[in-house]
Amino acid sequence: GENVEQHPSTLSVQEGDSAVIKCTYSDSASNYFPWYKQELGKGPQLIIDIRSNVGEKKDQRIAVTLNKTAKHFSLHITETQPEDSAVYFCAATSTDSWGKFQFGAGTQVVVTP
Amino acid sequence: NAGVTQTPKFQVLKTGQSMTLQCAQDMNHEYMSWYRQDPGMGLRLIHYSVGAGITDQGEVPNGYNVSRSTTEDFPLRLLSAAPSQTSVYFCASSRLPGQGGEQYFGPGTRLTVT
Repeated sequence: GENVEQHPSTLSVQEGDSAVIKCTYSDSASNYFPWYKQELGKGPQLIIDIRSNVGEKKDQRIAVTLNKTAKHFSLHITETQPEDSAVYFCAATSTDSWGKFQFGAGTQVVVTP
Repeated sequence: NAGVTQTPKFQVLKTGQSMTLQCAQDMNHEYMSWYRQDPGMGLRLIHYSVGAGITDQGEVPNGYNVSRSTTEDFPLRLLSAAPSQTSVYFCASSRLPGQGGEQYFGPGTRLTVT
């Protein structure tokens, strides 16, 4: 089955700097890669996703890149703000086995003013 | 739309007791899933459903049962609670991948088994 590894487990950044979180996956059949943000006491919320037919996707200060050959994908947050502080999760699944998401262990991001 | 709702928000059980965690969605999503979240381990899939009457096991199904009699509801049953089932439980739903596939999560149920 799929295995997703996520690094780093914690990330401290100064406000205004960039943050990068990296994930690797094992199943070459995986073709959908979402990223979730989880604030304390709440459920995860989708912030951006990418499918295997594209290499990069941007949404304002957030971008995701995908390298299918190397089986890794990354989340980039630019101009970080204190409200970006949260736990971020990557996940992977395939449209052939939809609903069977495999999640990374999460990254605690702390943005200090 | 209320989105994905879960009840209760908190629950304390004694070892051996049974209970049902409720999950409902009002977005007419075909897919629904249950996850447990433990510190340092991300979210692990317990059971999932691709439509009413269809369920399948995820990564950690032992000790849990599910059923899907309607599109809206996907309850999770703990048959005989054990301390190892102390966790935060999240329900999620999504459309088919060809229709976007964004997965929406409920607010979670924090369960403690003593």
